[in-house]
Amino acid sequence: NAGVTQTPKFRILKIGQSMTLQCTQDMNHNYMYWYRQDPGMGLKLIYYSVGAGITDKGEVPNGYNVSRSTTEDFPLRLELAAPSQTSVYFCASSYRGTPPGNQPQHFGDGTRLSIL
Amino acid sequence: AQSVTQLDSHVSVSEGTPVLLRCNYSSSYSPSLFWYVQHPNKGLQLLLKYTSAATLVKGINGFEAEFKKSETSFHLTKPSAHMSDAAEYFCVVSDRGNQFYFGTGTSLTVIP
Repeated sequence: NAGVTQTPKFRILKIGQSMTLQCTQDMNHNYMYWYRQDPGMGLKLIYYSVGAGITDKGEVPNGYNVSRSTTEDFPLRLELAAPSQTSVYFCASSYRGTPPGNQPQHFGDGTRLSIL
Repeated sequence: AQSVTQLDSHVSVSEGTPVLLRCNYSSSYSPSLFWYVQHPNKGLQLLLKYTSAATLVKGINGFEAEFKKSETSFHLTKPSAHMSDAAEYFCVVSDRGNQFYFGTGTSLTVIP
């Protein structure tokens, strides 16, 4: 019963490098989300997806891209990494309830990313 | 617009004493409300949720919360704190659409 799996757990990048944060879930959830967590700031939504082939921007999408080619996977791409993107990134998933906001989210353990 | 305010960034209690973590929300619609707990270096875990059924919601590990519409509050309580309750707690509101809005968190310290 893996739930939501994120890889890698830790990463250090240099300014200007790019990388992909991986997220996969085995619960057949329609909805998937990417958040970033900064100290004292709670979680901010970067992107979300309501199903394969459908993505939408959240509150803080600049500097990131996502894709959703399968129900299971929702990778987050950082292009041209900047120090402001140093954060802890969480992927989450949930069922497509009625309404969708009724359904709790299941979270991965996070990816800790430092941009130096 | 939806928003959440967690009124205390840090709360300290002695083991065996009651816990109160306060949360006020703002929502244009009838909201769904959640409390999550985050232990160090871990993801968030659902404690309980309110989705317009009973206003007193019971969750895991002895936690409960009461939805008070007149006060726009959803405070989290536990009668007796345990050392394992030490963690970060997040209050979350949804307008029942596709997005969730998180409070800034309350760090709970339990003193032996």
